[in-house]
Amino acid sequence: SQQGEEDPQALSIQEGENATMNCSYKTSINNLQWYRQNSGRGLVHLILIRSNEREKHSGRLRVTLDTSKKSSSLLITASRAADTASYFCATFRGDTGFQKLVFGTGTRLLVSP
Amino acid sequence: DAGVTQSPTHLIKTRGQQVTLRCSPISGHKSVSWYQQVLGQGPQFIFQYYEKEERGRGNFPDRFSARQFPNYSSELNVNALLLGDSALYLCASSIDRPKNTEAFFGQGTRLTVV
Repeated sequence: SQQGEEDPQALSIQEGENATMNCSYKTSINNLQWYRQNSGRGLVHLILIRSNEREKHSGRLRVTLDTSKKSSSLLITASRAADTASYFCATFRGDTGFQKLVFGTGTRLLVSP
Repeated sequence: DAGVTQSPTHLIKTRGQQVTLRCSPISGHKSVSWYQQVLGQGPQFIFQYYEKEERGRGNFPDRFSARQFPNYSSELNVNALLLGDSALYLCASSIDRPKNTEAFFGQGTRLTVV
């Protein structure tokens, strides 16, 4: 079963606009990761935010985490056509002996020139 | 440094055949995990190997098997292929047991079963 759910499922914006994607999860976490996937290729790691962090920045990316609401958001500022991709959040699930990454269904972002 | 490398990039097999997919983790990484991603969905966990031992297995049939070699590279084998096995197979590399560390993915192997 999916741990996270991204919202919206699809987002279409113009270049220069900001894009915000949300992720909700069900269980307590140690961290949450965001990935980008271009055209069904491999996943590119964007950012990891730990449960004791509320906000993290990386270039044009800003990630927030609200553990009380079990939610995270990814903001891409000043979007570019090259940002067109699917974006996934993922959390670790399991016990101390073994944990696996559990992904949401993703947000498909289309940035038009 | 090279990232996670997977081979082949594309593969076409017929039903009933067997396939072997390969993964080389980032240098220094000891953990390899395999994921299956069908079109329109997020990746689903198949196996995790750490220090050459299987540490976890997802909800996949016994037709799926894997192993990790002394150099930490890994192979995923799928026997008696079904049409439903058509998917992108992703390998993830972690420096340690994937718990609180980043997992880095390869470009994947696109398997088509006809």
